[in-house]
Amino acid sequence: AQKVTQAQTEISVVEKEDVTLDCVYETRDTTYYLFWYKQPPSGELVFLIRRNSFDEQNEISGRYSWNFQKSTSSFNFTITASQVVDSAVYFCALSEDQSGNTPLVFGKGTRLSVIA
Amino acid sequence: EAGVAQSPRYKIIEKRQSVAFWCNPISGHATLYWYQQILGQGPKLLIQFQNNGVVDDSQLPKDRFSAERLKGVDSTLKIQPAKLEDSAVYLCASSSWETQYFGPGTRLLVL
Repeated sequence: AQKVTQAQTEISVVEKEDVTLDCVYETRDTTYYLFWYKQPPSGELVFLIRRNSFDEQNEISGRYSWNFQKSTSSFNFTITASQVVDSAVYFCALSEDQSGNTPLVFGKGTRLSVIA
Repeated sequence: EAGVAQSPRYKIIEKRQSVAFWCNPISGHATLYWYQQILGQGPKLLIQFQNNGVVDDSQLPKDRFSAERLKGVDSTLKIQPAKLEDSAVYLCASSSWETQYFGPGTRLLVL
């Protein structure tokens, strides 16, 4: 069975601090996708990144970066120089195959509060 | 490109009443999902459609929940009769290949 664990329930940081959101996953599949979504107070889940299980290269997009380590089954997300607009609930999710047309298994989310 | 549309955005009903939610996926997306998100938790799959056929409804409480996707485009999710524990956000998502895109959700409160 697949499982995603986000151990941090809530994190508070002061604006401009760096923050890392942890994600640990479990799966028996050798091919899978990992995702991060952002859920602002409006409620809509906003897609941030997709990573397939064969690509362990770290990725950077502006202030966002992701560290995928298969050896520890982790897919952590770092926000550099956090801003108030980053305040949201962040979800890590897992999809069991490469087609993308399979349901996502989500973690419970980490609520990030960035204080001005 | 228009995103996933859902309506209504909010709904308050009393227990044992019926309610229906509507979803219009991104144009051309063959796969449509309904997820239930209870407060403080991640979304959980209720049902998955591929075109107008059901792929996975193993987690749908079929004694009270039903869903359809006529003509392989729009979809409707119905709850009849509603229970207090059905209070949640109902999210619709669609995908054409690798990534699921979500609508704004419908917040349901059952009193």
